[in-house]
This record gives sequence, C-alpha cells and structure tokens, in this order.
Amino acid sequence: GAVVSQHPSRVICKSGTSVKIECRSLDFQATTMFWYRQFPKQSLMLMATSNEGSKATYEQGVEKDKFLINHASLTLSTLTVTSAHPEDSSFYICSARDRGAPVSTDTQYFGPGTRLTVL
Amino acid sequence: AQSVSQHNHHVILSEAASLELGCNYSYGGTVNLFWYVQYPGQHLQLLLKYFSGDPLVKGIKGFEAEFIKSKFSFNLRKPSVQWSDTAEYFCAVNAGGSYIPTFGRGTSLIVHP
Repeated sequence: GAVVSQHPSRVICKSGTSVKIECRSLDFQATTMFWYRQFPKQSLMLMATSNEGSKATYEQGVEKDKFLINHASLTLSTLTVTSAHPEDSSFYICSARDRGAPVSTDTQYFGPGTRLTVL
Repeated sequence: AQSVSQHNHHVILSEAASLELGCNYSYGGTVNLFWYVQYPGQHLQLLLKYFSGDPLVKGIKGFEAEFIKSKFSFNLRKPSVQWSDTAEYFCAVNAGGSYIPTFGRGTSLIVHP
C-alpha cells in the first residue's frame, strides 16, 4: 500500500528556534498533502492543505507566518514551525492524497507523525 | 460546517466482547465516511470507508460499519474484540464533495486479555 513518511519522528528544540518537518509520499505522487495537529486524547485538527506548486490553504485560526508550508514537489511537503514556543509542542501529522487513485477510492494516507517538544 | 461526534471517549472491554462505537455527523448532503485506527505508537490506518452502495461496509480485521442515513450515523462494530484491537479509533467525514475530512475526537479502546 501507499506509504507516507515523516522526518524527524521526534524533535526537541529551544524556544525561539525554528523546526522543519518533512512529509514524503514514498511510492506515489501526491498533488495534495495535509498537515494536522493532534493534542493528547483529542482529534486531529487540520492546519492546512498543501497543493504542489501553489500556496497552502490555511484553516481559520492557524497562523500562516508561524507555520510555513512548502510543497515543492509531488512527493514532498515541509512544515516549518518558526520561532517555536512551548505552546507549539504537539504531535504533527501529515497525510497525502494519491494523485493516481480514482476518485471513487479517494483515501488519505497518513504519516507516522512528528512529536515536537519546545523547551 | 459539518461536525463529527464520537460519543464514547473511552471504552474498556474484555476479550471476546462485542464492540460498537458510535459516530454521528451533521451534514444533510452527500457524505463519504471513514473509520481510522491508530495503534499505540503507530500512524493512522484506514479501517474501512463508505462512498456509496451497500450501507453495511466490511473492513479489515473483522470490523464493519453501517451507514444509516436517516440517523446521520456510521457506527463501527466488531462481534468479538481481541487484545490487539486496543487503539484509538477515529471517525471521519468528507462532506459535499470535499476531499478534506472532518475528524471526530476519537475513542480510546482498551481490551483486557
């Protein structure tokens, strides 16, 4: 099946620094990737939709200047948390839609997530 | 905007017990429905999905779900759970032709051996 990887799986950084998280579709092309944030014991909150070659679409309440998203190729999207603060500590998950899959089977494939801890 | 409700936040069962997890959504139009599972330390995996056709959907690992349009529900069931079913279960809905799902807050299932 389709595989989505994320790197790093875990990162600890100091307050004020920036952290980049990569999301890759390993065996398919993804025109659209999604970035979610998951708080403990809560649901996934969609942060933004990333389309290859265009600007990301951010959900209401998500600061686009703080969470920079770049989708430079059909297999890679990056999320950069700029000037991170302790309240940004969370589990960040990406997912990707298979460009080649029929609409009738439209499914997202999820990455394993990245645990960010800001000290 | 649509919303997805999972009323059971925590469920504890013994092995071989039957399972039913509730999922209700608020949207009157066409929907695509999903159940995902997240095992401890692992990523989200698709259990099953409903797009159209038979409202009783069978998924992996013996799970099934029934879409009842009149009740706006898509409950997940398994007749006999195993210890290995311990995980978080998320219901998700795509509404109105959107391919962006709205997730419920999840249900934590613990199965005692």
